[in-house]
Amino acid sequence: QSVLTQPPSVSGAPGQRVTISCTGSSSNIGAGFDVHWYQQLPGTAPKLLISGNYNRPSGVPDRFSGSKSGTSASLAITGLQAEDEADYYCQSYDSSLWVFGGGTKLTVL
Amino acid sequence: EVQLLESGGDLVQPGGSLRLSCAASGFTFSSYAMSWVRQAPGKGLEWVSTISGSGSNTYYADSVKGRFTISRDNSRNTLYLQMSSLRAEDTAVYYCAKISTFRRGDFDYWGQGTLVTVSS
Repeated sequence: QSVLTQPPSVSGAPGQRVTISCTGSSSNIGAGFDVHWYQQLPGTAPKLLISGNYNRPSGVPDRFSGSKSGTSASLAITGLQAEDEADYYCQSYDSSLWVFGGGTKLTVL
Repeated sequence: EVQLLESGGDLVQPGGSLRLSCAASGFTFSSYAMSWVRQAPGKGLEWVSTISGSGSNTYYADSVKGRFTISRDNSRNTLYLQMSSLRAEDTAVYYCAKISTFRRGDFDYWGQGTLVTVSS
């Protein structure tokens, strides 16, 4: 049982928009801690996708965006592409220790 | 270019010990906190441990506290994870990751991982 809750899976057709939610509580996201998102392509290490709630590291396409409100955060992917098929994880602090969401598998139909 | 290269993963019996290493390059190693994050087969990411840049502060997940020890050698740009009293549930790919800043708390670079298998 992860401290941060994500849907196990989402799917969308190429070109569509999908969102992945990350629900926390008053001890993590709701306490004002930043939320970060990672993309893990099959068989590879995770890669930082969104930092500090909505910042894209250099090289990350602007099709990826993040937002945060209250005790939740969301990752949005627009113009879905086949190469976006991957696992996505949110991450934050809880009681000053690092925590991850359970992960969401994105399937591009 | 930041590079993190883990090594030391192996097959070990329950109750055994193992030391993982992570060789870092491409940044001022001593200026950054470093972490270990693991991923059991077919499962999600789990934070394991973090050490401050100087090595003076360490943090552990409850699941490994008292069994694992994180350390670093800033003169060798190397991060370590000493694992003891290993259990089957410690079987995972172990990633070393650089923390961008303590305040933000994100992992901006990751190694390729090293596999630890605990089995008799």
